[in-house]
Amino acid sequence: QQQVKQSPQSLIVQKGGISIINCAYENTAFDYFPWYQQFPGKGPALLIAIRPDVSEKKEGRFTISFNKSAKQFSLHIMDSQPGDSATYFCAANGGNTGKLIFGQGTTLQVKP
Amino acid sequence: DTGVSQDPRHKITKRGQNVTFRCDPISEHNRLYWYRQTLGQGPEFLTYFQNEAQLEKSRLLSDRFSAERPKGSFSTLEIQRTEQGDSAMYLCASSSQGQGKRTFGSGTRLTVV
Repeated sequence: QQQVKQSPQSLIVQKGGISIINCAYENTAFDYFPWYQQFPGKGPALLIAIRPDVSEKKEGRFTISFNKSAKQFSLHIMDSQPGDSATYFCAANGGNTGKLIFGQGTTLQVKP
Repeated sequence: DTGVSQDPRHKITKRGQNVTFRCDPISEHNRLYWYRQTLGQGPEFLTYFQNEAQLEKSRLLSDRFSAERPKGSFSTLEIQRTEQGDSAMYLCASSSQGQGKRTFGSGTRLTVV
């Protein structure tokens, strides 16, 4: 019940295309859903986050879509650029815990 | 805001040795977290502090692991009698209470030979 399942494991997109990464969770106590971007040798950096009271949040080229009834959320990267090539992690947190549960990660490659 | 600082960046140690890592959080953040990340996996939660109090520990944190945050500022993570399975990236993050956003450091990569 504590897991966050992420797919796909890897993704190749052409420059200018849309990258879509999906996550699913079980624990209905989760109330904070961030997406992190990680480059090799660096720690994860927060991209965008959403709380379950909204179904979508957009920041620049990055959009989170949230489906509370299906317990799923996804990251959309519009106009994908080679500089977006990185590993992306979804995560979830909630209740009185400081534990942020991460998905397994998606390695994105954007081809020029 | 100088970010979260971790030291050392890399550590190679022989099996059975003890190692200690340090994390300096963002100064105004009262929460500090430790995570472990192995190749191709997402970070796994180890423990977190609110000020100097250790509020939660993962079952991943065996008896050989101990973390401290003595004055509610920097934190140390010690691994005693290291094993090859301890080889991983150890990440530290910090946040303000009530804020979901965690800011991560660049991590300490531990290699046990």
